[in-house]
Parts: sequence; structure tokens; C-alpha cells
Amino acid sequence: DAKTTQPTSMDCAEGRAANLPCNHSTISGNEYVYWYRQIHSQGPQYIIHGLKNNETNEMASLIITEDRKSSTLILPHATLRDTAVYYCIAPVNPLSEGAQKLVFGQGTRLTINP
Amino acid sequence: DAGVTQSPTHLIKTRGQQVTLRCSPKSGHDTVSWYQQALGQGPQFIFQYYEEEERQRGNFPDRFSGHQFPNYSSELNVNALLLGDSALYLCASRQYNEQFFGPGTRLTVL
Repeated sequence: DAKTTQPTSMDCAEGRAANLPCNHSTISGNEYVYWYRQIHSQGPQYIIHGLKNNETNEMASLIITEDRKSSTLILPHATLRDTAVYYCIAPVNPLSEGAQKLVFGQGTRLTINP
Repeated sequence: DAGVTQSPTHLIKTRGQQVTLRCSPKSGHDTVSWYQQALGQGPQFIFQYYEEEERQRGNFPDRFSGHQFPNYSSELNVNALLLGDSALYLCASRQYNEQFFGPGTRLTVL
């Protein structure tokens, strides 16, 4: 798995877009970018993932740079319930044999302020 | 459709005892992984089961063992508990390229 680097903490005002950066400069061609979040003492919640194209779902958007060395998770209209630890993970192609474990770092503690 | 379920929710044991944690995967998911999350840390991969066999293992001692049943549910067993085994134990089930986590079991070792 590629090593990922995230800021330790971030703040965002309620209603504004929250932009969470992740650096994965050593990522290789078959490594995806996954984002999970964990609200205090609950299991991690899957948000979104991508390989090289930008992705959007009902929760968030994922912007991956053309060189794939970094990405940004965007929560378009942050609410207080989005306060959580956000993890950026770059596992090897999950469709390949024996490559589905997720290696979590420390993540970014995002606080949404009223 | 129920998501990943785990039992029990909380558990208190003493040093040296043995514990069994249980996980039922999301419907249709055939692969189950277990993670340990110590306080203030990210989850750490313990092992993964597929077709009732351990397919991949993280850096955990043999005191940690598991099992997967024909219905894809799984158990995590920890023998000779240590104080350091106190943690949130998470189960995740996978289908294709998505993993979904259960709520976890909080184990406290006294």
C-alpha cells in the first residue's frame, strides 16, 4: 500500500465546503485512493474511492490530481454531523488476489463549527 | 438489508482469559476482515478470511486466531489476554472493491 500523508486536524464552518487533502506521492498505477471516516467510537464509514478519474457520490466528491500524487475529498455543504476523523488510504487494486487489507494512518480530525 | 453486525457490543475480561468475538457480514459479502483499534489510533489489520480460510494476516501474534463459517460469518478468538489487548475490534466485510465496517466490539482487559 502507498503511504499517505494527511493534516492532523482541520476546522470548517457549517454550511461551507470542507476540503480534505491527502498526499500519496509514492502511489503506483494499481493503487486506488479510498476515503473512510470514523465518528467517535463507531466503525469506519466508507465514503468514496477512485483510481484516476474524479468521482462523486451522494456523500462527497473526490478530486485526484493528474499525476495521482495527491487527492482532495470535498464535502460540499458540511454539517455538524460531518465532524469525524477522515482517513485517506491507498490500497493495492482490491480486485487482485490477496490485496484487500486497508492500512489506516492517523487520519485528519475534521471539526465542523456552528 | 442489514449491514455488518458484531456481538457483543462491550466485553470485560481479565488478564489470561480467552475471548471470542463474532461478526456477521453484509448480505452477499463473502470476505471478512478483522481490525484492532487502540484508543487514539487508526484501525490495524489483524487478518482476513475467504472461503473459510485465512488468506492474509497482519502483524499479530498467534494468540489471535479466527474462523469463518460456511454462511460467511466469522469469529475472532484471542487467548491469554493482555492488558494491551484492550481495544475496539472491528469486523469488515467485502465484495468487489468496497469494504463495510461493523460497529465494533469494545474489549476491556483488567
